[in-house]
Amino acid sequence: QSVLTQPPSVSGAPGQRVTISCTGSSSNIGADYNVNWYQQLPGTAPKLLIYGNNNRPSGVPDRFSGSKSGTSASLAITGLQAEDEADYYCQSYDNRLSGSKVFGGGTKLTVL
Amino acid sequence: QVQLQESGPGLVKPSETLSLTCTVSGGSLTNYYWSWIRQSPGKGLEWIGYIYYTGSTNFNPSLKSRVTISLDTSNNQFSLKLSSVTAADTAMYYCTTGYDAFDIWGQGTMVTVSS
Repeated sequence: QSVLTQPPSVSGAPGQRVTISCTGSSSNIGADYNVNWYQQLPGTAPKLLIYGNNNRPSGVPDRFSGSKSGTSASLAITGLQAEDEADYYCQSYDNRLSGSKVFGGGTKLTVL
Repeated sequence: QVQLQESGPGLVKPSETLSLTCTVSGGSLTNYYWSWIRQSPGKGLEWIGYIYYTGSTNFNPSLKSRVTISLDTSNNQFSLKLSSVTAADTAMYYCTTGYDAFDIWGQGTMVTVSS
């Protein structure tokens, strides 16, 4: 059971927009800690996709965006492409767990 | 550009200690946080702990009693030791850098716990 809750899977057709939710609580996202998102392509290490709730590292397309409100965060992907098929993880910090970094369980994005 | 590379045994016996090393190239250990993260087969990511370049550490409470993370500044490496391993510790182990966000990752090394 992950501290942050994500849907196990989402899907969309090429060109569409999809969102992935990440639900936390008052001890993590709701405590105004940053949410980060990672993309893990099959057989590879995770890659930082969004940091500080809504910032993209250099090289990440602007089709990817993040937002946060209350105890939840979301990752939006517009103009869906086949290469976006991957697992996506949210991550934050939890002040109940001795300052642990916590992850969501991950969401498998399928491009139809 | 900092790069990370994990190394260590791919097979560890139950009850023994898992030992991994992460070699940092293209940069120094100074002024950064260095973490270990693992991923059990088919599962999600689990943060194990971090060490700051000063030597201060913080660990996942669920693993704290079994984890040691240390620095080797002369070789620009940091290491993970996980004691009393069981099959539940079988996972891909990644070394990463960053405090709030993990921005650089090694390719990972698979460790299997089995007799």
